[in-house]
Amino acid sequence: EIVLTQSPGTLSLSPGERATLSCRASQSVSSSYLAWYQQKPGQAPRLLIYGTSSRATGIPDRFSGSGSGTDFVLTISRLEPEDFAVYYCQQYGNSRWTFGQGTKVEIK
Amino acid sequence: EVQLVESGGGLVKPGGSLRLSCAASGFTFSSYSMNWVRQAPGKGLEWVSSISTSSSYIYYADSVKGRFTISRDNAKNSLYLQMNSLRAEDTAVYYCARFFCSGSTCYYSFDYWGQGTLVTVSS
Repeated sequence: EIVLTQSPGTLSLSPGERATLSCRASQSVSSSYLAWYQQKPGQAPRLLIYGTSSRATGIPDRFSGSGSGTDFVLTISRLEPEDFAVYYCQQYGNSRWTFGQGTKVEIK
Repeated sequence: EVQLVESGGGLVKPGGSLRLSCAASGFTFSSYSMNWVRQAPGKGLEWVSSISTSSSYIYYADSVKGRFTISRDNAKNSLYLQMNSLRAEDTAVYYCARFFCSGSTCYYSFDYWGQGTLVTVSS
């Protein structure tokens, strides 16, 4: 099973700042099968990025994804108040799906 | 509008059973593989099980294999999860989620989620 490790655990930033979230895999992940989600308290996760770098429908262009192999990054170019939430990366491989443990982006 | 509505959660004793349902609407249910994903209180997300469109391919996380059974009824636009031999560590919100596909390409990510149903396993 591929283990995804996200860092940092918590990111304390101010609105307008840039957020850089990391997701590292224990073995190589196909770029087609790496996704990012946003989850706010009491809500279901929302798909942000699929296929490493493609934005899902309705996702603002301040969200971008990049990476390959074992290292992937989600970047939020300028944080809006509604962006403070928990973010998860997720991968598919060998008929198994795994999620990272999450990065919480909180208001500084 | 795509909607996924879970039901069937509740309080059950260790060793007990529960059946979750997910009612789908707003899309052609029979054309999409479906999934269950769970989240223990205050914890992260854990994939539980997946089922293909015609139920030909079914996968389980090791943590539930042999105890949980996923199924679907395309005529009723419904997804199910039969949970047996429940343990305290199965306590979680269980989400029904649809696989994301764009055209003929599926990316094995989850684009629509239900609101979740809480399963609590406790004596």
